[in-house]
Amino acid sequence: QSALTQPASVSGSPGQSITISCTGSSSSVGDYNLVSWYQKHPGKAPKLIIYEVTKRPSGVSNRFAGSKSGNTASLTISGLQADDEADYYCCSYAGSSSFAVFGGGTKLAVL
Amino acid sequence: QVTLRESGPALVKPTQTLTLTCTFSGFSLDTSGMCVSWVRQPPGKALEWLALMDWGDDKYYNTPLKTRLTLSRDTSKNQVVLTMTNMEPVDTGTYFCARLHVCPSGGMDVWGQGTTVTVSS
Repeated sequence: QSALTQPASVSGSPGQSITISCTGSSSSVGDYNLVSWYQKHPGKAPKLIIYEVTKRPSGVSNRFAGSKSGNTASLTISGLQADDEADYYCCSYAGSSSFAVFGGGTKLAVL
Repeated sequence: QVTLRESGPALVKPTQTLTLTCTFSGFSLDTSGMCVSWVRQPPGKALEWLALMDWGDDKYYNTPLKTRLTLSRDTSKNQVVLTMTNMEPVDTGTYFCARLHVCPSGGMDVWGQGTTVTVSS
């Protein structure tokens, strides 16, 4: 199962909105509404911010929103804050043979 | 409170077998829908999903690494053990275990802090 494709980097100014795309195949993102997103700061464990494409775990800001169209999932962060500067990874269920696959990660810079 | 903690050697030699233990508390892997997964991150690179054990003791592995990975469980100690054979320098990185409480849909909601493994002679 090939890794999901994400842009290497995105940037935005405080208060702005950005969107990170995550493109997979019909055997991962396209077939299942089981995309999750993780925020990872250097030296820290990943943090789940979106699951099942659009759902936010308790305690995660509503500035984070997920969506999906076809084989591409997206993460939108609105009202950018300095602490949002981190790496973001998508992950999709890929069926019982492969189970899960991550994207290559996107580095978000808040300028 | 749900916690997970990885433990294992910080340094292994090429060709050796790595054994990592994930010790968890605050949940039972016998609960329907519960899973424990392993993920790694080489230095400067992306997260990579490695393996997962579910509440029914079914196991799933990253396809390209399947022949090198084995998951086992010590129920009495609330531990999931990952072994990886024939370690190479490219296997250097931080290894995380994580829980999925609604598997596979709920995502990896609680993570350990990770353990760093270096493969070098």
